[in-house]
Formats: sequence, C-alpha cells, structure tokens
Amino acid sequence: GEDVEQSLFLSVREGDSSVINCTYTDSSSTYLYWYKQEPGAGLQLLTYIFSNMDMKQDQRLTVLLNKKDKHLSLRIADTQTGDSAIYFCAESRGTSKIIFGSGTRLSIRP
Amino acid sequence: GAVVSQHPSWVICKSGTSVKIECRSLDFQATTMFWYRQFPKQSLMLMATSNEGSKATYEQGVEKDKFLINHASLTLSTLTVTSAHPEDSSFYICSASGTGINDEQFFGPGTRLTVL
Repeated sequence: GEDVEQSLFLSVREGDSSVINCTYTDSSSTYLYWYKQEPGAGLQLLTYIFSNMDMKQDQRLTVLLNKKDKHLSLRIADTQTGDSAIYFCAESRGTSKIIFGSGTRLSIRP
Repeated sequence: GAVVSQHPSWVICKSGTSVKIECRSLDFQATTMFWYRQFPKQSLMLMATSNEGSKATYEQGVEKDKFLINHASLTLSTLTVTSAHPEDSSFYICSASGTGINDEQFFGPGTRLTVL
C-alpha cells in the first residue's frame, strides 16, 4: 500500500542547517513534495521533485531523492526562526491524489 | 499565484446540527477540488475528490451521507457535515487544481470545526 513516513520532531540551532528525512513505499510515485504548514494555517507547497531526478535546489532548500531506497530529504540552509513549522513529505503518481506523511515539527532554538 | 479561500475559518456548533464549509478558487477555474481532514498533530487524510458537475468520489471509510460535497461551479465546492458530533471536530482543508504545473493542488487555509 501507499505509505509515507517521517520523524515527528526536529530541533536545530538558528543558523544551522536542518535536514528532514522521509521514506515512502510506493515505487510508482511520480512526484514527491515538501509542504510547510504554519500554526493554524493551510499548506504551502515548498518544492517538489520528479521521480527521475535525484536533486533539486531552490535558494536555501535542497531536496535529495534516493529512488532506490525510496528516501527523500529536505535540507534548509541557515535555518531561521521563521522556518519553524510542520513540514510534510508527500507523494503522488500524477493522478492528483496526494499521500501525506505525518509531518515533522521543526523547532528553532537560539 | 493561485489562491484558494475557505469560509468560515472556524466554527463552533452544537451536536446534531449541520455545518457547511465553503472552498473557493479566487483567481482560477478549479476542475477538481479535494477535501482533507487533519486531526491534531496528525497528517492530512483525503476525504473525497470532486469534479465540477459530477458526484464526489469518497475515500474508503468516509461516509458520503454524513459529509456531503457539492461542486456546482468551477470556483466553488462545499462540504456539509451533517448531524455533527464531537468526534467530527477537526481541521478541514480543501485544495483545488486545474492550473499550474502538473495540476498542482493549491490549498486553502483550513476551517477548524468544534462540535460541542
């Protein structure tokens, strides 16, 4: 079946890099996403990667995909207090149905 | 970018009453709208997918007679929680697609429902 897993919490010091990891089970996944959710708000698409890519960089964000191990990571460089949020890993097969992970709560300490 | 709004942003109701939540695409035509439910500190679970002018497709375990979905136009979908009970209390989020890259889903800000 379809399943997306990620750790529940991550705490990093301001200015350090944050790395959020995710594993998925569906080998037919076409798109892999990272969403950000701030308290009481909806989801914001941060970035996505096609399954035939292994890396994508967008300013402070770097996505790495290991398709063989079905492992996806999101690296946030120079983490700031405004990065505090819940980050959801998600996948789809391009049929519009998106399967979400449980979310990783990122907290920033001074 | 594409904007999706939801109304109301929060609602408190008595047990047994019905509540309607609206989802609107403000600057694009949404051929497909999705309704998700999110329990505290948990992930989003897809409830149903609706295409304009046709009946919604519900995910397994979601009662279609309890969660009525109407997608009457390309900019509006409604979710009605009928005879609400405290266990229906949750954060309901809609998304819409029909434009953007790879039919990207644009998410609304969510509606927090509390049933007393």
